[in-house]
Amino acid sequence: DTGVSQDPRHKITKRGQNVTFRCDPISEHNRLYWYRQTLGQGPEFLTYFQNEAQLEKSRLLSDRFSAERPKGSFSTLEIQRTEQGDSAMYLCASSATQGPQETQYFGPGTRLLVL
Amino acid sequence: GEDVEQSLFLSVREGDSSVINCTYTDSSSTYLYWYKQEPGAGLQLLTYIFSNMDMKQDQRLTVLLNKKDKHLSLRIADTQTGDSAIYFCAEIYNAGNMLTFGGGTRLMVKP
Repeated sequence: DTGVSQDPRHKITKRGQNVTFRCDPISEHNRLYWYRQTLGQGPEFLTYFQNEAQLEKSRLLSDRFSAERPKGSFSTLEIQRTEQGDSAMYLCASSATQGPQETQYFGPGTRLLVL
Repeated sequence: GEDVEQSLFLSVREGDSSVINCTYTDSSSTYLYWYKQEPGAGLQLLTYIFSNMDMKQDQRLTVLLNKKDKHLSLRIADTQTGDSAIYFCAEIYNAGNMLTFGGGTRLMVKP
């Protein structure tokens, strides 16, 4: 199966530590998205890439968050100086630009708990 | 700004039909989606509908779109216990590429 994969699936960290998550999109997909989902809520958009270019960032993405997609394939999302409010599920999705309709396929998510 | 609303909870008996409703505010929505999320898992795409359609059927799933009222529904026929999950509607609109999700409807199917 060549769906979207994310690593790690779970991460527990102490407040103030840095964490990095990885997402591997479906291989032929040129767009990659990061979303954050807090308990009992729907996912909220954070940022997206087309190939290696980061084209849009949400206001939710504070200065402590940085995302990269250096070769237009996998992406990393780093959170510096984590806070308890960063505890959430971080979801990655990918899509292929194929005309007007573009379906985003999601990975299993990385669940972050900040103590 | 855009906003997507869903009711929180729906309980049905196995074999009945389930209808999950969603309202949205952005009239420039182009595509509307339904995703399913099981506990601790990512989102699974169920179906989508283009905004110039009013109905789409895919096996046990029927999507109805009332663009005038900005109302979207997902009907699941012959609901099974395996359909128990959280269902999210989401929209994508002309101005952007990100999905805007509702808060999700938790479907519980009783045997």
